[in-house]
Amino acid sequence: KQEVTQIPAALSVPEGENLVLNCSFTDSAIYNLQWFRQDPGKGLTSLLLIQSSQREQTSGRLNASLDKSSGRSTLYIAASQPGDSATYLCAVRGGYQKVTFGTGTKLQVIP
Amino acid sequence: GAVVSQHPSWVICKSGTSVKIECRSLDFQATTMFWYRQFPKQSLMLMATSNEGSKATYEQGVEKDKFLINHASLTLSTLTVTSAHPEDSSFYICSASPRDRAYEQYFGPGTRLTVT
Repeated sequence: KQEVTQIPAALSVPEGENLVLNCSFTDSAIYNLQWFRQDPGKGLTSLLLIQSSQREQTSGRLNASLDKSSGRSTLYIAASQPGDSATYLCAVRGGYQKVTFGTGTKLQVIP
Repeated sequence: GAVVSQHPSWVICKSGTSVKIECRSLDFQATTMFWYRQFPKQSLMLMATSNEGSKATYEQGVEKDKFLINHASLTLSTLTVTSAHPEDSSFYICSASPRDRAYEQYFGPGTRLTVT
């Protein structure tokens, strides 16, 4: 059974800092890994999708890497802004289209 | 493109009543739709997978008779919470995989259900 863990569970940083969010998974037989953000009481916004054959994806200030063999992914956020404050979820897609979500990292960027 | 909508966005119902939540793929045909549940301060948990025209596959621990899923067309799946109780109060999110890109999932905005 796939298990996805995110560390840290919560993070508070001053505006402008670069930061890294971590995601680890137990079963390396995955099809892809996706990072989402979720604002309080709202749905999911997809940030980056990395296929299992890829090592990283970039979108603006966001960069996600994937090391399938070690079961890890990181989301790097450059020059953080208060608007980045949200809960960040990673999700791993394995066999039979099943997606397993991580436990989430709650990020607060202080102005 | 690849937009998924849910209706309603929030609903309050009395204990014992049933409530239906709709999930629609607006600009693509979805052969597979998924339903997730998120309890406060917890991550999303897959409830069931539904393929158009066939019965849904439920995850272990999810009551089939309580959470009725219908995927009658390539653009619509419904989740009906029957005889709702306060412990069913949760955030329900659906996702859909395009017919021609089954490896992708697009998520709806979610429905907040409160049972009083």
